[in-house]
Amino acid sequence: SAVISQKPSRDICQRGTSLTIQCQVDSQVTMMFWYRQQPGQSLTLIATANQGSEATYESGFVIDKFPISRPNLTFSTLTVSNMSPEDSSIYLCSVVKADIPNEQFFGPGTRLTVL
Amino acid sequence: AQRVTQPEKLLSVFKGAPVELKCNYSYSGSPELFWYVQYSRQRLQLLLRHISRESIKGFTADLNKGETSFHLKKPFAQEEDSAMYYCALMIGGTSYGKLTFGQGTILTVHP
Repeated sequence: SAVISQKPSRDICQRGTSLTIQCQVDSQVTMMFWYRQQPGQSLTLIATANQGSEATYESGFVIDKFPISRPNLTFSTLTVSNMSPEDSSIYLCSVVKADIPNEQFFGPGTRLTVL
Repeated sequence: AQRVTQPEKLLSVFKGAPVELKCNYSYSGSPELFWYVQYSRQRLQLLLRHISRESIKGFTADLNKGETSFHLKKPFAQEEDSAMYYCALMIGGTSYGKLTFGQGTILTVHP
């Protein structure tokens, strides 16, 4: 399996500010993803974090709003920029390992509330 | 675009009763289907995948391509099965690894 930690676990932020969420994995992984789960909604993929290059964003998500970094094979960050109350969600990191390609492991999530 | 539908947001059964969580998908190709589960205060985790054709914790799911369904079944529900269940779909090619989730079903098993 993969042990994934996310920081912070939760935060309350003011409108217009930005928050950076960290995702750390205990071993090298081939793929890293960021999902959003809005209140009462399902999980929606934001982007694929690519090691050493720009992230690949899904329709409806843009780099200016959700800049992502992945400097190595075990770490990624997601920034939620210029936040509004609509950004209040749980943000989850997930990973795929090379030796277990058909299973995606999820982090504990970061619960963000924007006032 | 692909889509996953779980028609029941809430499902309640009594312990020992059979349970079926419904999942339908729309995709013109051959996707991979998964069931993920989230128990209270725990993170999302994989329950089973259709390609493995396995039974996990007594749960099974058969991919029916004709009906585009991947329903999750268990003949005798247990209280510890109470959780949120998500059906998810993955397509291949450049989208390999990306999951499309259904809305989720909250299963409550009463004693």
